[in-house]
Amino acid sequence: NAGVTQTPKFRILKIGQSMTLQCTQDMNHNYMYWYRQDPGMGLKLIYYSVGAGITDKGEVPNGYNVSRSTTEDFPLRLELAAPSQTSVYFCASRMGGQGTEAFFGQGTRLTVV
Amino acid sequence: AQSVAQPEDQVNVAEGNPLTVKCTYSVSGNPYLFWYVQYPNRGLQFLLKYITGDNLVKGSYGFEAEFNKSQTSFHLKKPSALVSDSALYFCAVRDGGKGNTPLVFGKGTRLSVIA
Repeated sequence: NAGVTQTPKFRILKIGQSMTLQCTQDMNHNYMYWYRQDPGMGLKLIYYSVGAGITDKGEVPNGYNVSRSTTEDFPLRLELAAPSQTSVYFCASRMGGQGTEAFFGQGTRLTVV
Repeated sequence: AQSVAQPEDQVNVAEGNPLTVKCTYSVSGNPYLFWYVQYPNRGLQFLLKYITGDNLVKGSYGFEAEFNKSQTSFHLKKPSALVSDSALYFCAVRDGGKGNTPLVFGKGTRLSVIA
């Protein structure tokens, strides 16, 4: 299985540009998450989804949007890129049940200049 | 609110020596605890978890962790460190009393195993 796939792996954006980070999983997991990782700060939750058509804000949602039209896909949209959004973004998914672990994608390294 | 603390930014250990990476947590309900490892330019990989049952849980690559409810800790351990264990380690918690809430991660501890 491919697991959780993120594209692109790297991207440089100019301030004010927009882009979509893609995330797809082939494990039929209901739960999907977007985190950002900044040096020394651990992972911060941006948005999450408990199933198709349902999304909710995490700890740091400002400047981002998500949609979940299918079980497999959970894209993250940056509308007006800002330097503060320079980070590494991780998508993750897990099956239902409180004790299940999450599976992570390889990450997207985004630089806003 | 649930939270995780990893008090050490960096842990250095000689190859062959035992290693410990510390983690303490705070939740209102039952804690579901996880350890992940991140190698350079890679995503996080699951190592082990504690949900219920035995306080000592064993995971991948010879790692184990001990759940201590009274000290609200879940320290990661390995009896004999390898150079290849050098990586960034994250502890995470989910509050079992609050439904299917997302994982909350600590800031990470960088482990360096020296040959």
